Amino acid sequence: SQQGEEDPQALSIQEGENATMNCSYKTSINNLQWYRQNSGRGLVHLILIRSNEREKHSGRLRVTLDTSKKSSSLLITASRAADTASYFCAFLNRDDKIIFGKGTRLHILP
Amino acid sequence: DSGVTQTPKHLITATGQRVTLRCSPRSGDLSVYWYQQSLDQGLQFLIQYYNGEERAKGNILERFSAQQFPDLHSELNLSSLELGDSALYFCASSLSGQSPYNEQFFGPGTRLTVL
Repeated sequence: SQQGEEDPQALSIQEGENATMNCSYKTSINNLQWYRQNSGRGLVHLILIRSNEREKHSGRLRVTLDTSKKSSSLLITASRAADTASYFCAFLNRDDKIIFGKGTRLHILP
Repeated sequence: DSGVTQTPKHLITATGQRVTLRCSPRSGDLSVYWYQQSLDQGLQFLIQYYNGEERAKGNILERFSAQQFPDLHSELNLSSLELGDSALYFCASSLSGQSPYNEQFFGPGTRLTVL
């Protein structure tokens, strides 16, 4: 499959804890993006990391990229109830097609 | 609010029918992308238009077609509908045609139900 693979498929954590999601891919990429989707709604862009970057921060989000392992991780620190959503990684494959992973469903418990 | 609008929000139709989904990109964005999201297939890229021209094609069926008009709005036409076409259809836009160099802004989606 050309799709990215997110891991885990689902994650439940207590409010205030950190959440880590991983994305693996098979092709070489120029950059990788992470998106959030609240139930049944459109995706919202979170962060973009270029292939020559190893780590990027945006507020409570931290993204890492390891091109040698073809993987990326998204860390959400000090989680809040509003972080409950599905998270997707996305990248461009060799045929210039945009590929989204299957997503990680994150549930923040009060 | 992403600035991308899609109509209609919901669409219920019967097998064999044809429907048209409409998308207006963010002001200034030249690229429009169409996606299909279903439980079993996940989010699938269908097609991209850039400034009126087809730029990239994904897993779009022959029964489906799209176009982007001079005012940059786009339509996705789905014909000979089957039960399996029931899904959420998203439109997204970006400033340039070189995604993911530019982030995409997603519309709220059209939920299509084929009975």
